[in-house]
Amino acid sequence: EAQVTQNPRYLITVTGKKLTVTCSQNMNHEYMSWYRQDPGLGLRQIYYSMNVEVTDKGDVPEGYKVSRKEKRNFPLILESPSPNQTSLYFCASSRRLGHQAAYEQYFGPGTRLTVT
Amino acid sequence: AQSVAQPEDQVNVAEGNPLTVKCTYSVSGNPYLFWYVQYPNRGLQFLLKYITGDNLVKGSYGFEAEFNKSQTSFHLKKPSALVSDSALYFCAVRADSNYQLIWGAGTKLIIKP
Repeated sequence: EAQVTQNPRYLITVTGKKLTVTCSQNMNHEYMSWYRQDPGLGLRQIYYSMNVEVTDKGDVPEGYKVSRKEKRNFPLILESPSPNQTSLYFCASSRRLGHQAAYEQYFGPGTRLTVT
Repeated sequence: AQSVAQPEDQVNVAEGNPLTVKCTYSVSGNPYLFWYVQYPNRGLQFLLKYITGDNLVKGSYGFEAEFNKSQTSFHLKKPSALVSDSALYFCAVRADSNYQLIWGAGTKLIIKP
């Protein structure tokens, strides 16, 4: 089954304790992205990756890191989480982006993070 | 600058009635437009997209959307609403000249029996 998986699904942590949210896709997609969803703000892009070893900042990258060492995996790292990073996080993947190439994104089930 | 607006936070429709969820956009160049749906406690699912061609696009679950270039709109429609259509709907847009996808704030659709 084609899917995007995220772990953990729920996480409660304390300020400053480093954490990693994993994301994996089994569709051989080149493009992967991380979003956060907050009420009334829709989806905001944190980071994205066009391919292995190619990552770039989205709209709200502060406080986050990513890496893309393998095509299937795109972990999100919070080095020192703060309460304002409490949110619902989604990983997504799609086929390549390009001029006149607009493929739909496949989303993971989400990770609900609470930072106290 | 690119932007997308979903002017209604919530839309209430009686089951069996037609529904419309509105989306307007602003991009430089030709737009690529998308609709996604989010059911409670789930990730987003793709519904339909407009890239080029016929202005009326048909998608999953009986939904369709009409691209209107003069009004810069891409409203989502369904002829007869089901209670199971109740969910959060997102419109998204990007220009053909760049890769950034811009998302609307979402519209909560409530279908009442």
